Amino acid sequence: GAVVSQHPSWVICKSGTSVKIECRSLDFQATTMFWYRQFPKQSLMLMATSNEGSKATYEQGVEKDKFLINHASLTLSTLTVTSAHPEDSSFYICSARAPRGLGYEQYFGPGTRLTVT
Amino acid sequence: GQQLNQSPQSMFIQEGEDVSMNCTSSSIFNTWLWYKQDPGEGPVLLIALYKAGELTSNGRLTAQFGITRKDSFLNISASIPSDVGIYFCAGQSWGNQFYFGTGTSLTVIP
Repeated sequence: GAVVSQHPSWVICKSGTSVKIECRSLDFQATTMFWYRQFPKQSLMLMATSNEGSKATYEQGVEKDKFLINHASLTLSTLTVTSAHPEDSSFYICSARAPRGLGYEQYFGPGTRLTVT
Repeated sequence: GQQLNQSPQSMFIQEGEDVSMNCTSSSIFNTWLWYKQDPGEGPVLLIALYKAGELTSNGRLTAQFGITRKDSFLNISASIPSDVGIYFCAGQSWGNQFYFGTGTSLTVIP
Protein backbone atom coordinates (compact mmCIF):
# COMPACT_ATOMS: atom_id res chain seq x y z
CA GLY A 1 0.00 0.00 0.00
CA ALA A 2 0.83 3.73 -0.02
CA VAL A 3 2.00 4.00 -3.60
CA VAL A 4 2.53 7.36 -5.26
CA SER A 5 3.00 7.73 -8.99
CA GLN A 6 4.35 10.62 -11.00
CA HIS A 7 3.99 11.40 -14.67
CA PRO A 8 5.98 11.94 -16.76
CA SER A 9 9.21 10.33 -15.56
CA TRP A 10 11.24 12.72 -17.62
CA VAL A 11 10.52 15.57 -19.97
CA ILE A 12 12.57 17.76 -22.28
CA CYS A 13 11.06 21.05 -23.31
CA LYS A 14 12.10 24.24 -25.01
CA SER A 15 12.67 27.45 -23.13
CA GLY A 16 9.49 29.47 -22.79
CA THR A 17 7.08 26.54 -22.85
CA SER A 18 5.08 25.21 -19.90
CA VAL A 19 5.27 21.72 -18.46
CA LYS A 20 2.73 19.92 -16.27
CA ILE A 21 3.73 17.17 -13.86
CA GLU A 22 1.11 14.94 -12.26
CA CYS A 23 1.30 13.29 -8.86
CA ARG A 24 -1.19 10.59 -7.89
CA SER A 25 -1.72 8.60 -4.73
CA LEU A 26 -2.81 5.23 -6.08
CA ASP A 27 -4.19 3.38 -3.07
CA PHE A 28 -4.99 6.03 -0.50
CA GLN A 29 -6.52 9.47 -0.31
CA ALA A 30 -4.17 12.31 0.43
CA THR A 31 -5.51 15.61 1.65
CA THR A 32 -1.99 16.96 1.60
CA MET A 33 0.67 16.55 -1.05
CA PHE A 34 4.09 18.12 -1.27
CA TRP A 35 6.32 19.20 -4.12
CA TYR A 36 10.09 19.07 -3.83
CA ARG A 37 12.97 20.01 -6.02
CA GLN A 38 16.31 18.26 -5.84
CA PHE A 39 19.64 19.28 -7.31
CA PRO A 40 22.41 16.73 -7.88
CA LYS A 41 23.96 15.39 -4.68
CA GLN A 42 21.71 17.53 -2.52
CA SER A 43 18.80 16.93 -0.23
CA LEU A 44 15.21 17.57 -1.18
CA MET A 45 14.07 21.18 -1.07
CA LEU A 46 10.41 21.71 -0.26
CA MET A 47 8.77 24.00 -2.79
CA ALA A 48 5.15 23.97 -1.70
CA THR A 49 2.47 22.18 0.27
CA SER A 50 -0.64 21.33 -1.68
CA ASN A 51 -3.95 20.94 0.14
CA GLU A 52 -6.99 19.49 -1.58
CA GLY A 53 -9.55 22.12 -2.37
CA SER A 54 -7.49 25.10 -1.29
CA LYS A 55 -4.54 27.17 -2.43
CA ALA A 56 -1.06 25.79 -2.11
CA THR A 57 1.33 27.13 0.49
CA TYR A 58 4.67 28.08 -1.05
CA GLU A 59 8.02 28.12 0.67
CA GLN A 60 9.95 31.33 0.83
CA GLY A 61 11.69 32.12 -2.44
CA VAL A 62 9.46 29.92 -4.60
CA GLU A 63 7.52 31.89 -7.22
CA LYS A 64 3.90 30.85 -7.04
CA ASP A 65 3.13 32.34 -10.47
CA LYS A 66 5.88 30.28 -12.02
CA PHE A 67 5.16 27.00 -10.24
CA LEU A 68 1.40 26.56 -10.38
CA ILE A 69 -0.02 23.88 -8.13
CA ASN A 70 -3.50 22.44 -8.36
CA HIS A 71 -4.79 19.80 -5.94
CA ALA A 72 -8.06 19.03 -7.65
CA SER A 73 -8.90 15.77 -5.90
CA LEU A 74 -7.82 13.63 -2.97
CA THR A 75 -5.61 11.57 -5.26
CA LEU A 76 -4.19 14.10 -7.71
CA SER A 77 -1.97 17.13 -7.51
CA THR A 78 -0.34 18.83 -10.47
CA LEU A 79 2.66 21.11 -10.75
CA THR A 80 2.92 23.31 -13.82
CA VAL A 81 6.23 24.99 -14.54
CA THR A 82 5.24 28.01 -16.59
CA SER A 83 7.53 29.68 -19.12
CA ALA A 84 10.29 27.26 -18.26
CA HIS A 85 13.90 28.33 -18.50
CA PRO A 86 17.13 26.28 -18.37
CA GLU A 87 17.61 27.15 -14.70
CA ASP A 88 14.33 25.32 -13.98
CA SER A 89 15.96 22.08 -15.08
CA SER A 90 15.92 19.81 -12.06
CA PHE A 91 14.52 16.67 -10.51
CA TYR A 92 11.01 17.30 -9.18
CA ILE A 93 9.56 14.90 -6.63
CA CYS A 94 6.11 14.86 -5.14
CA SER A 95 4.96 13.17 -1.98
CA ALA A 96 1.60 12.41 -0.44
CA ARG A 97 0.86 12.35 3.25
CA ALA A 98 -0.76 9.11 4.30
CA PRO A 99 -3.98 9.36 6.29
CA ARG A 100 -3.91 9.09 10.06
CA GLY A 101 -4.58 5.36 10.00
CA LEU A 102 -1.35 4.84 8.06
CA GLY A 103 0.70 7.07 10.33
CA TYR A 104 0.80 10.39 8.52
CA GLU A 105 4.10 9.50 6.83
CA GLN A 106 5.02 10.98 3.50
CA TYR A 107 5.28 8.60 0.57
CA PHE A 108 7.21 9.79 -2.43
CA GLY A 109 6.70 9.51 -6.14
CA PRO A 110 9.52 8.31 -8.38
CA GLY A 111 10.35 11.84 -9.51
CA THR A 112 10.30 13.73 -12.80
CA ARG A 113 13.49 14.81 -14.52
CA LEU A 114 12.89 18.14 -16.27
CA THR A 115 15.38 19.41 -18.82
CA VAL A 116 14.78 22.79 -20.40
CA THR A 117 16.79 23.50 -23.53
CA GLY B 1 13.16 25.53 5.73
CA GLN B 2 14.96 23.84 8.56
CA GLN B 3 17.27 20.95 7.73
CA LEU B 4 18.40 18.31 10.13
CA ASN B 5 22.08 17.59 10.68
CA GLN B 6 22.89 14.17 9.33
CA SER B 7 26.26 12.44 9.62
CA PRO B 8 28.37 11.21 8.16
CA GLN B 9 27.94 12.97 4.84
CA SER B 10 29.31 9.97 2.95
CA MET B 11 30.62 6.52 3.72
CA PHE B 12 32.69 4.01 1.79
CA ILE B 13 32.59 0.53 3.31
CA GLN B 14 33.41 -3.03 2.42
CA GLU B 15 30.62 -5.47 1.71
CA GLY B 16 29.66 -7.27 4.91
CA GLU B 17 30.49 -4.39 7.23
CA ASP B 18 27.95 -2.72 9.46
CA VAL B 19 26.90 0.89 8.90
CA SER B 20 25.73 3.52 11.34
CA MET B 21 24.43 7.00 10.61
CA ASN B 22 22.63 9.54 12.72
CA CYS B 23 20.52 12.61 12.57
CA THR B 24 20.24 15.45 15.07
CA SER B 25 18.00 18.45 15.45
CA SER B 26 17.66 21.48 17.67
CA SER B 27 13.92 20.88 17.74
CA ILE B 28 11.95 17.95 19.07
CA PHE B 29 9.85 15.79 16.79
CA ASN B 30 6.96 13.41 17.29
CA THR B 31 7.96 11.18 14.38
CA TRP B 32 11.30 10.20 12.88
CA LEU B 33 11.52 8.63 9.46
CA TRP B 34 14.34 7.09 7.44
CA TYR B 35 14.30 7.00 3.65
CA LYS B 36 16.60 5.58 0.99
CA GLN B 37 16.96 7.18 -2.41
CA ASP B 38 18.46 5.43 -5.42
CA PRO B 39 19.83 7.55 -8.29
CA GLY B 40 17.05 9.00 -10.40
CA GLU B 41 14.34 7.73 -8.08
CA GLY B 42 12.18 9.14 -5.35
CA PRO B 43 12.94 8.35 -1.68
CA VAL B 44 11.51 5.11 -0.33
CA LEU B 45 10.40 4.88 3.27
CA LEU B 46 12.47 2.36 5.24
CA ILE B 47 11.45 2.81 8.86
CA ALA B 48 9.06 5.06 10.77
CA LEU B 49 9.44 5.74 14.52
CA TYR B 50 6.65 7.19 16.64
CA LYS B 51 7.77 7.05 20.28
CA ALA B 52 10.83 8.36 22.12
CA GLY B 53 13.15 5.45 22.81
CA GLU B 54 11.49 3.24 20.21
CA LEU B 55 13.79 0.76 18.50
CA THR B 56 12.46 -0.69 15.24
CA SER B 57 13.94 -3.15 12.78
CA ASN B 58 13.24 -3.83 9.14
CA GLY B 59 15.35 -6.76 8.01
CA ARG B 60 18.99 -5.75 8.33
CA LEU B 61 18.01 -2.18 9.21
CA THR B 62 17.51 -0.95 12.75
CA ALA B 63 16.56 2.58 13.75
CA GLN B 64 15.97 4.26 17.09
CA PHE B 65 14.03 7.33 18.14
CA GLY B 66 16.23 9.21 20.61
CA ILE B 67 15.01 9.73 24.17
CA THR B 68 15.37 13.51 23.85
CA ARG B 69 13.25 13.43 20.68
CA LYS B 70 16.01 15.41 19.01
CA ASP B 71 17.94 12.61 17.37
CA SER B 72 17.70 9.27 15.64
CA PHE B 73 20.11 6.72 14.26
CA LEU B 74 19.97 4.10 11.54
CA ASN B 75 22.11 0.98 11.50
CA ILE B 76 22.56 -1.39 8.58
CA SER B 77 24.08 -4.76 9.38
CA ALA B 78 26.10 -6.93 7.01
CA SER B 79 25.95 -4.47 4.13
CA ILE B 80 25.45 -5.68 0.57
CA PRO B 81 26.03 -3.90 -2.76
CA SER B 82 22.34 -3.04 -3.19
CA ASP B 83 22.49 -0.96 0.00
CA VAL B 84 24.23 1.70 -2.09
CA GLY B 85 22.29 4.95 -2.20
CA ILE B 86 21.56 8.10 -0.28
CA TYR B 87 19.87 7.77 3.09
CA PHE B 88 17.78 10.62 4.43
CA CYS B 89 16.34 11.10 7.87
CA ALA B 90 13.22 13.17 8.33
CA GLY B 91 11.52 14.60 11.37
CA GLN B 92 7.86 15.46 11.67
CA SER B 93 6.69 17.98 14.22
CA TRP B 94 3.39 18.11 16.06
CA GLY B 95 2.29 20.76 13.61
CA ASN B 96 2.85 18.12 10.92
CA GLN B 97 5.74 20.07 9.46
CA PHE B 98 8.29 17.85 7.86
CA TYR B 99 12.05 18.40 7.78
CA PHE B 100 14.70 16.46 5.88
CA GLY B 101 18.24 15.62 6.82
CA THR B 102 21.15 16.52 4.58
CA GLY B 103 21.64 12.92 3.50
CA THR B 104 24.30 10.23 3.88
CA SER B 105 25.73 8.78 0.68
CA LEU B 106 26.62 5.11 1.11
CA THR B 107 28.99 3.24 -1.17
CA VAL B 108 29.52 -0.47 -0.64
CA ILE B 109 32.66 -1.95 -2.13
CA PRO B 110 32.25 -5.60 -3.15
